[in-house]
Amino acid sequence: GAVVSQHPSWVICKSGTSVKIECRSLDFQATTMFWYRQFPKQSLMLMATSNEGSKATYEQGVEKDKFLINHASLTLSTLTVTSAHPEDSSFYICSARLPRTGNDGYTFGSGTRLTVV
Amino acid sequence: QKEVEQNSGPLSVPEGAIASLNCTYSDRVSQSFFWYRQYSGKSPELIMSIYSNGDKEDGRFTAQLNKASQYVSLLIRDSQPSDSATYLCAPANDYKLSFGAGTTVTVRA
Repeated sequence: GAVVSQHPSWVICKSGTSVKIECRSLDFQATTMFWYRQFPKQSLMLMATSNEGSKATYEQGVEKDKFLINHASLTLSTLTVTSAHPEDSSFYICSARLPRTGNDGYTFGSGTRLTVV
Repeated sequence: QKEVEQNSGPLSVPEGAIASLNCTYSDRVSQSFFWYRQYSGKSPELIMSIYSNGDKEDGRFTAQLNKASQYVSLLIRDSQPSDSATYLCAPANDYKLSFGAGTTVTVRA
């Protein structure tokens, strides 16, 4: 089935540094990628939608200059958390729309647990 | 008002019983509806999708959709301990998913 590979699975960084998270679609072309954040005991909150070759669309309240999204190819989207702070510690998950070839809906990366110390 | 509301948990059911999960949504233009299962510390995995009013069955899972009532449900028959997880309801509009807070199900052996 369609797979999105997300790396790293966990990362610890110091306050003020930047962290890059990658999501690759392995066996299909992902024209649209979604980035979610999930805090403990809460549901997934959509941060932004990225389309290959164009600027990402951010949800209300998400700082586009802090969460940089690049979707330069049909198989790779990246999220960079810049100047990370402890409150950015969360579970970040990417998702891609599946192509209409009998697949269903969306597929998710395995998630990245970010801890900022 | 929350966009997607799910019955509050946790929901504890004995092994072999039926677990019933409910979800209401506020966006009337939602056309696709998904149920995801999420184990602790993991990303969601698709359980069921439903697009038309009525019932859809897949193995031990049955999804039911009523667009007029803006209601979607999931039944898990013959619940197994491996079904213990958080279940997320996710209507889709304009290709974007909106997630409910989830209902945590615990199946007691």
